[in-house]
Amino acid sequence: GENVEQHPSTLSVQEGDSAVIKCTYSDSASNYFPWYKQELGKGPQLIIDIRSNVGEKKDQRIAVTLNKTAKHFSLHITETQPEDSAVYFCAASLNNAGNMLTFGGGTRLMVKP
Amino acid sequence: DAGVIQSPRHEVTEMGQEVTLRCKPISGHNSLFWYRQTMMRGLELLIYFNNNVPIDDSGMPEDRFSAKMPNASFSTLKIQPSEPRDSAVYFCASRGRGKETQYFGPGTRLLVL
Repeated sequence: GENVEQHPSTLSVQEGDSAVIKCTYSDSASNYFPWYKQELGKGPQLIIDIRSNVGEKKDQRIAVTLNKTAKHFSLHITETQPEDSAVYFCAASLNNAGNMLTFGGGTRLMVKP
Repeated sequence: DAGVIQSPRHEVTEMGQEVTLRCKPISGHNSLFWYRQTMMRGLELLIYFNNNVPIDDSGMPEDRFSAKMPNASFSTLKIQPSEPRDSAVYFCASRGRGKETQYFGPGTRLLVL
């Protein structure tokens, strides 16, 4: 089955700096890669996703890049703000597996004011 | 629109007791997922329903766990008998027909003493 590795497990940045979180996946057939943000005491919320036919996608301060050859994808947050502090999860899924998501281990991002 | 609704939000019980967790998916969604989140194992998929039918239950830990979806608006996850190692946050997520994005509920925090 699919295996998703996520790094780093914790990341501390100064407000205004950029943050980058990286994930690798094992199954080259995976074709959907969402990123979720989980705040304390809440369920994960989708913040951005990318499909395998696209190399990069941006939404305001958030961007995701995908390298299918290397089987890795990354989340980039620019101009970080204290409210960006949360746990971020990457995930991967296969169409022919019912789009069941395999999650990475999570990254705890702390943005220091 | 109401998101995924889960109840109870918190549950404290004693070892050996039966626990029932409830989920109401987003109206019109036809796929429902139960996940368990722990520090040690991260987010694990327990079971996945499509059109009220269980499709993949390979993540269900053991026979003490069972899940049902009697109709499109309701699902339960039951643990009987419960054990301390079942302590975790249990999330329900739903997905629209033909879509890829899963929407998570707020979770049920279970503590088995």
